Amino acid sequence: NAGVTQTPKFQVLKTGQSMTLQCAQDMNHEYMSWYRQDPGMGLRLIHYSVGAGITDQGEVPNGYNVSRSTTEDFPLRLLSAAPSQTSVYFCASRPPGQGGETQYFGPGTRLLVL
Amino acid sequence: AQRVTQPEKLLSVFKGAPVELKCNYSYSGSPELFWYVQYSRQRLQLLLRHISRESIKGFTADLNKGETSFHLKKPFAQEEDSAMYYCALKKPPPVNSGGYQKVTFGTGTKLQVIP
Repeated sequence: NAGVTQTPKFQVLKTGQSMTLQCAQDMNHEYMSWYRQDPGMGLRLIHYSVGAGITDQGEVPNGYNVSRSTTEDFPLRLLSAAPSQTSVYFCASRPPGQGGETQYFGPGTRLLVL
Repeated sequence: AQRVTQPEKLLSVFKGAPVELKCNYSYSGSPELFWYVQYSRQRLQLLLRHISRESIKGFTADLNKGETSFHLKKPFAQEEDSAMYYCALKKPPPVNSGGYQKVTFGTGTKLQVIP
């Protein structure tokens, strides 16, 4: 299994541009999440999904959209990038039977918004 | 609201010295706490959970409800322990949430073990 994969690894955007961060998992996990990691802020939950077709907001959802058309994929869309969205983004997944702490994290996408 | 506080951004210790990474929490319910670790260029991974009362890679953490703390300790630091450590708290899923349990992370402490 590849586990949780994320693309791209690194991206530079200009303010106002849009882009999609890809996340895929091949473990048939129903739960998937997006976090952003900022210095001095830790990891903060952006959006999460408990299954295909079901998404909900996390702690910092503004400026981001998600969709979950399949169990495997959970893309994160930045509609109009802002410098405040410069961060490292992590996708995570887990099966519903296990506790919320048992998350499998992707390698991360480093985003720089100029 | 729940909160996890890690007061130290950076902790530097010499190899062989004891390590204590501090974590304090605020939560009105019965907490479940964890430590995650992120080694350089590796993914974030679960290190240990308080329920298991386990020792992983020589690390232990005891939940102290009176002091609302969950400090991570190791008696003798090794160079390979150098990493970013996050304390985290899990809250029960709200009604109609699909069972999703949100995890609140602390701000992290970078442990640097000096040879």
